[in-house]
Amino acid sequence: AQKITQTQPGMFVQEKEAVTLDCTYDTSDQSYGLFWYKQPSSGEMIFLIYQGSYDEQNATEGRYSLNFQKARKSANLVISASQLGDSAMYFCAMREGLDGATNKLIFGTGTLLAVQP
Amino acid sequence: GAGVSQSPSNKVTEKGKDVELRCDPISGHTALYWYRQSLGQGLEFLIYFQGNSAPDKSGLPSDRFSAERTGGSVSTLTIQRTQQEDSAVYLCASSFALHNEQFFGPGTRLTVL
Repeated sequence: AQKITQTQPGMFVQEKEAVTLDCTYDTSDQSYGLFWYKQPSSGEMIFLIYQGSYDEQNATEGRYSLNFQKARKSANLVISASQLGDSAMYFCAMREGLDGATNKLIFGTGTLLAVQP
Repeated sequence: GAGVSQSPSNKVTEKGKDVELRCDPISGHTALYWYRQSLGQGLEFLIYFQGNSAPDKSGLPSDRFSAERTGGSVSTLTIQRTQQEDSAVYLCASSFALHNEQFFGPGTRLTVL
């Protein structure tokens, strides 16, 4: 069964430093997608970045980059130059398959990031 | 344009009552999803719509839960005979196509007394 594991319940980082949030996944599919979402205390889920299983290059979106290591089944999120507004819960998620039979996201348990001034 | 909207934002109900939660997806988004977020269970998938049909209902926890989508747009999640364990935040998301990122609404916080 597919599974997403986030082993860091909480992380601290100093403002302006970089931080890596860990995510490992388990799937038997060859085609899948990996996502990171941010959930601030206000509750909304904000899409950050996407990596497809066939993408050869690591995805980047501004200060966010995804360190995709397919053989290790890991998809860590790197946030560079942390800002106070980055304090939030971060969820890693996976979507299996490309045939449209299911398009659901499986979420990890999340990592609570606190950025300190 | 506007994002995904959900109503009500908060709903308090008594055990045994029925509730309806509404989701308005982003205009033009063909796919719509319902998830539930609770302290004990994290984020769980409930159901996925492509147009008005639901190819995957595997996450609905019991037959008290149902959902429909009309006109390829608005969706309603109905919970009959609510139980205290139904208390959670119900999140709706939509995407432009099957493999695009899902955009989430603000959620409906359901409290069953």
